[in-house]
Amino acid sequence: QVHLVQSGAEVKKPGSSVKVSCKTTGGPFTNYVITWVRQAPGQGLEWMGGIIPIFGTAKYAQKFLGRVTITADESTTTTYMEISSLKSDDTAVYYCARGRYSGYVPGFDPWGQGTQVTVSS
Amino acid sequence: QLVLTQSPSASASLGASVNLTCTLSSGHSSYAIAWHQQQPEKGPRFLMKLNSDGRFSKGDGIPDRFSGSISGAERYLTISNLHSEDEAEYYCQTWGAGIGVFGGGTKLTVL
Repeated sequence: QVHLVQSGAEVKKPGSSVKVSCKTTGGPFTNYVITWVRQAPGQGLEWMGGIIPIFGTAKYAQKFLGRVTITADESTTTTYMEISSLKSDDTAVYYCARGRYSGYVPGFDPWGQGTQVTVSS
Repeated sequence: QLVLTQSPSASASLGASVNLTCTLSSGHSSYAIAWHQQQPEKGPRFLMKLNSDGRFSKGDGIPDRFSGSISGAERYLTISNLHSEDEAEYYCQTWGAGIGVFGGGTKLTVL
């Protein structure tokens, strides 16, 4: 059974960067999209970007272009999401999720447990 | 531009049925979508993929009470015989040219 395990909570200063990891275990890695979704307090799910490891190139929501970098390491089946120039409204829970089906087919399953990122001076 | 539109809230009584709607923006009525559920204080979980022909495929362990259907650009999630644990936020999701899109979510209250 596929599981996604994320790195632990982070507290960061405004203007700094944070890098969150997401390790895939128990199933194939390279042909399935790993996507990053965030949820600010009391808000809905916001798609940030995703990567299909075998292709290597990530795609991003317009809002995050230039500030978010998503990478994948096939040797460790781990995906990373880094946000630079952090602001207070980046405070959120960050989830990784794997496409349930290979390629760009709707449906994310499973999801990681979420990583709380708090940006505060 | 690909947009998924959901009503912010819905309510129904215990044991009743409810239909939640996700509307695809103009020009995108043939798209498949997925439904995800997020119970309070929990992470999201996959419910089903709903194809443009109305067929749906559910995730592991999703009860038979959950089903999907379509009408034009509308994608529906029907929950029958509502249980208290169905009180949750429901999100639809799809892809457009490799860019993911979520609807704004519908908060379902079970009365």
